[in-house]
Amino acid sequence: QSALTQPASVSGSPGQSITISCTGTSSDIGSYSVVSWYQQHPGKAPKLMIYEDTKRPSGVSDRFSGSKSGNTASLTISGLQTEDEADYYCCSYAGSWVFGGGTKLTVL
Amino acid sequence: EVQLVESGGGVVQPGGSLRLSCAASGFTFDDYAMHWVRQAPGKGLEWVSLIVGDGGSTYYADSVKGRFTISRDNSKNSLYLQMNSLRTDDTALYFCAKVTAYNYHAMDVWGQGTTVTVSS
Repeated sequence: QSALTQPASVSGSPGQSITISCTGTSSDIGSYSVVSWYQQHPGKAPKLMIYEDTKRPSGVSDRFSGSKSGNTASLTISGLQTEDEADYYCCSYAGSWVFGGGTKLTVL
Repeated sequence: EVQLVESGGGVVQPGGSLRLSCAASGFTFDDYAMHWVRQAPGKGLEWVSLIVGDGGSTYYADSVKGRFTISRDNSKNSLYLQMNSLRTDDTALYFCAKVTAYNYHAMDVWGQGTTVTVSS
């Protein structure tokens, strides 16, 4: 199973919005509504931010939102804050679980 | 507090074996499937294995199939990963993670990880 495709890096200024894409195929993202997104700060464990494409766990800021169209899922962060600077990973299912390569978000 | 604590990592030679453990607390352990996920130094996350709540079904990434075995002891609230025939590309930080209450596809609690280094 090939990794999902994410941009290596994105950046934005405080207060702005950014979107991270996660591209798969009709065998993974396109077939199942189970994309999840994880935030990972350096030296820390990943944290679940979005599950089932669009749902936000309790305690996660509503500045984080998920969407999906066809074989591409997206994570949007609005009102960027400096603490949002981290690596972000998408994950989907295709008979087994596959992660994206990760996107480094820089808040300028 | 829901918590996962991994242990058992270390340095091992290629071809060697290691057994990782993950101690769970703060939730009804046997109600939840559990994942192992690894992260090579400076790299992204890679799914390794899943075991369902009663231990009756297990799943593996192709990269570890036939070499790694996932298991659990619900009486001890513990998850394990037996790793045999280790290769240098198995070097990584290994996380255990609990699935959400809804399905197996999202991981809502993660441990801090245990480091495995395979080197001669």
